[in-house]
Amino acid sequence: AQKITQTQPGMFVQEKEAVTLDCTYDTSDPSYGLFWYKQPSSGEMIFLIYQGSYDQQNATEGRYSLNFQKARKSANLVISASQLGDSAMYFCAMRPFSGGYNKLIFGAGTRLAVHP
Amino acid sequence: DTAVSQTPKYLVTQMGNDKSIKCEQNLGHDTMYWYKQDSKKFLKIMFSYNNKELIINETVPNRFSPKSPDKAHLNLHINSLELGDSAVYFCASSQEGVRGDTQYFGPGTRLTVL
Repeated sequence: AQKITQTQPGMFVQEKEAVTLDCTYDTSDPSYGLFWYKQPSSGEMIFLIYQGSYDQQNATEGRYSLNFQKARKSANLVISASQLGDSAMYFCAMRPFSGGYNKLIFGAGTRLAVHP
Repeated sequence: DTAVSQTPKYLVTQMGNDKSIKCEQNLGHDTMYWYKQDSKKFLKIMFSYNNKELIINETVPNRFSPKSPDKAHLNLHINSLELGDSAVYFCASSQEGVRGDTQYFGPGTRLTVL
């Protein structure tokens, strides 16, 4: 079964500190993509970062980095130097590449609060 | 320079009515999607179209019918609305072969059925 697990319903972090949001996944597909999205209180879904299962290096996008540990099936999002505007829901998602259909499977999300 | 847009942003209607949500993308992508986000924030795919052809149709009631007049547009029509249809509906688009086919989402349409 294809599944994404985000075990932290809520997290908080002090402004300017780094925070790690956990994500584990379950798939039997040898090839897949992992994604993180941010959903602020305004409701839109914002793409943050992508990691391919065969990528040798961990993905980074500005203050976001993805700590990809394939053997442990984990794809944690690290946000460095947190800002107040980072307060939002964060969703981890996976797309198995078999079947040819681009279907994202989402986790339940983690609500991050950044405190001043 | 809006990438994926949806109208309307909010939709409040009575049970039994029929309503439509429109989606347009100006990214030149070849695939578009509809997702439903329930009250617990859980997101699930409903449909996907690739170049106007339906390629994903999850177990969604027949009352939901997507239509893609061209590859830049994907509309969602819902017949006989029920209370359980209240949710946020997101349109998304992607381009095959680009960044793992990353999907870019519209702003969402909050549907409330009374």
